[in-house]
Amino acid sequence: KNEVEQSPQNLTAQEGEFITINCSYSVGISALHWLQQHPGGGIVSLFMLSSGKKKHGRLIATINIQEKHSSLHITASHPRDSAVYICAVGRSETSGSRLTFGEGTQLTVNP
Amino acid sequence: DTGVSQDPRHKITKRGQNVTFRCDPISEHNRLYWYRQTLGQGPEFLTYFQNEAQLEKSRLLSDRFSAERPKGSFSTLEIQRTEQGDSAMYLCASTQWGYSRAFFGQGTRLTVV
Repeated sequence: KNEVEQSPQNLTAQEGEFITINCSYSVGISALHWLQQHPGGGIVSLFMLSSGKKKHGRLIATINIQEKHSSLHITASHPRDSAVYICAVGRSETSGSRLTFGEGTQLTVNP
Repeated sequence: DTGVSQDPRHKITKRGQNVTFRCDPISEHNRLYWYRQTLGQGPEFLTYFQNEAQLEKSRLLSDRFSAERPKGSFSTLEIQRTEQGDSAMYLCASTQWGYSRAFFGQGTRLTVV
């Protein structure tokens, strides 16, 4: 069992739909990151959170520390949101805060 | 541009050749990480530096891999005697300090033929 698991692996939506991607982890963390990766490889950090909820534009990220679960929501989805979304956890300071990644969720938003 | 930059973006090499990749982190960031990503998978940790000190190496980093960050600024990752299994995207990231947000480069895609 991976330390970070995401669901679903693949998600296809119609433009305008509300999207949820889930992440569960099994280790102690200092922070959880949501990342976006477009074709070609570059990764962009969307959120870093250790509690509660954060919002940026149409993106919302939540985390429940007790349940070791996080969700990324996209409201009013658009074709330009099509990308791979990756959940990653930063572990304790003794591990150098290196990230452990989920396998990613491929999101395709059709017009 | 003051982001993380990696060079080259793409590298095709013959099996058995040596390759070297470079990463230039954001200038005030003292931590630098190397990750490897194979197709359809999430990235995996290879190694990280705090300033010029290499503090941790993954078991994935065989003896053919070596990384340096000689002056605590840019870093190089060298792979000797490349194998087809080394084909992957090599990603570099930097952070200002341990708990801060990570900034990633565009990656170097290595293809070993």
